[in-house]
Order: sequence, then structure tokens, then C-alpha cells
Amino acid sequence: KQEVTQIPAALSVPEGENLVLNCSFTDSAIYNLQWFRQDPGKGLTSLLLIQSSQREQTSGRLNASLDKSSGRSTLYIAASQPGDSATYLCAVRDSSYKLIFGSGTRLLVRP
Amino acid sequence: SQTIHQWPATLVQPVGSPLSLECTVEGTSNPNLYWYRQAAGRGLQLLFYSVGIGQISSEVPQNLSASRPQDRQFILSSKKLLLSDSGFYLCAGDRASGANVLTFGAGSRLTVL
Repeated sequence: KQEVTQIPAALSVPEGENLVLNCSFTDSAIYNLQWFRQDPGKGLTSLLLIQSSQREQTSGRLNASLDKSSGRSTLYIAASQPGDSATYLCAVRDSSYKLIFGSGTRLLVRP
Repeated sequence: SQTIHQWPATLVQPVGSPLSLECTVEGTSNPNLYWYRQAAGRGLQLLFYSVGIGQISSEVPQNLSASRPQDRQFILSSKKLLLSDSGFYLCAGDRASGANVLTFGAGSRLTVL
């Protein structure tokens, strides 16, 4: 059974810092991995999608990497801003096409 | 691009009352559709998914049911709500191939009193 873990559960950093969020999964047989952002009381917004054949994807200040063999992904946020404060969730699409979510990392960027 | 509409946004219901949450999809034909529940401070739990009209798969035994009467409509229901049904419900969809970006609605917050 696929399990997705995110570390740390919460993170507080001063504005301007570069930071890394971690995601690990137990079964490497995945189709893709997706990173989402969730603001309090809101739905999820997709940030980046990495297909299983890819190593990384970039969008603006965000860079996500995927090491399928070791069951790991990282989300790198450069030059963090207070507007980046949110919960970040990763999810893997397993062999049955369902998306399995981690419990998220709650990020606070202090001005 | 695909847009997911959900309503109502918030709902307060007494124990034992019925429930109907509705989700519609815009911009995609024959999408896969999903209902997730998010408990406070926890990850998302997949409740139901559907690959087509009338096709519903249930992930966990529970007090809820789902229906897909039309290609772009997905409904979450209950005949009698329990306190434990309180939570944040999210509808999501992706293209039929499944290896695509999952798009979420804004969510429906249900409080059962």
C-alpha cells in the first residue's frame, strides 16, 4: 500500500530564505507526482507535476525534483515571500491512477 | 483548462439530516472525478472516484454515497448524517488518461451538530 510522508510538518522562516520541503513515498511504481498549495479554508492549487520519467520541473521560484528509485521528491522555494505562506501537499499517482496525498507541510514566511 | 465548481461552500446540518453536495466540471469531457475529505490538520482521504456516468468506486466504508448522473456532475450524499461526517469536502477532476494534473474545487465545509 502506497504511503506518502512529508517532513517537516511545519516550518517558519524569515522572508528571503531559500527553503526545501520533503516528500517521500513507499512504492516507486508511480505515474507522476504532483505538488499542491492550499491556503486556509480553500481548495488545492496545483503547483508542479512531474511525470515518472522526469527528474525535475520548474515554475518561477519553484523547483520540484523527483528521485523515483529512492522514493523522494523535494520542492525548492527560492527567495521566499510572506505570500508563500500556505500548506504544501505532495501526492503520487499510483498504479491504479489514484492520487495518494501526504499530510502536508505548513509554511509560514515571516516578514 | 478544466474548472471544478462546488456548492454549497459551507453547510451546518443536524445529526440525522440528509446531505447533498454537488460538483460540476467545466472545460473537459469525460473526466475522472473524485471526492476527498480533509479532516482538520490532516491529509486528504479519497472517498469516491468515478471514471464515467453511473460508475462509482468507493474507497472506504462509510455513511456517504456518491452518484454521477451526468458526465460533468458528481454528487456526494448521505441519508442520515453523523457527527463524524463533519469535515472539508473537496471535489477534483482530471482527464480520462489519468496521468494528468488534478484540479480541485474550492471545497465545501460541513459541520454536523
